[in-house]
Amino acid sequence: QKEVEQNSGPLSVPEGAIASLNCTYSDRGSQSFFWYRQYSGKSPELIMFIYSNGDKEDGRFTAQLNKASQYVSLLIRDSQPSDSATYLCAGGGYNFNKFYFGSGTKLNVKP
Amino acid sequence: SAVISQKPSRDICQRGTSLTIQCQVDSQVTMMFWYRQQPGQSLTLIATANQGSEATYESGFVIDKFPISRPNLTFSTLTVSNMSPEDSSIYLCSVDGTGGYEQYFGPGTRLTVT
Repeated sequence: QKEVEQNSGPLSVPEGAIASLNCTYSDRGSQSFFWYRQYSGKSPELIMFIYSNGDKEDGRFTAQLNKASQYVSLLIRDSQPSDSATYLCAGGGYNFNKFYFGSGTKLNVKP
Repeated sequence: SAVISQKPSRDICQRGTSLTIQCQVDSQVTMMFWYRQQPGQSLTLIATANQGSEATYESGFVIDKFPISRPNLTFSTLTVSNMSPEDSSIYLCSVDGTGGYEQYFGPGTRLTVT
């Protein structure tokens, strides 16, 4: 059983729309969650992390965590073509230093 | 976040040979990690490297195939031994952040085995 699951996409949204990326996890011991953006041919770049239930906002990005439902999401407001990338969700838990990565969701923002 | 560099950035190697990948960080870090990312796939953790102790390998990865060194708090190497075409992949090192939980990635090493 995969620890972290994501829809592989692609998710296509028009420029200026809200992109919603979702992730579920199986290990209830997971306590920290991370969203990475990966452009083609580049390494993953950390954009958000969340530890507590609820929402965490940073600029155009909002991470949401619902531990009861074992669900993590990333909302990107006012999506731009430069947001087109693969978004990786990662979870860490009882061993904070060990991450479990989802397979990634490819986002396409159309001008 | 720390500045992380990897050498080489890419290489083409013949099967049966070995390649050592270096990871250098501009500040001292506790944990360093080595991942593999095969084409179109997500990241798979190979091992965790702490300074002064043996690396901890994930299921499916063994020390004889992927020996790791961690001589100090800013440097680590991963060797891919006796390579086969199946080892063609991007190899990434990462380090733990100042908060202790997040990880930051180096630019990666793209390895092609012919």
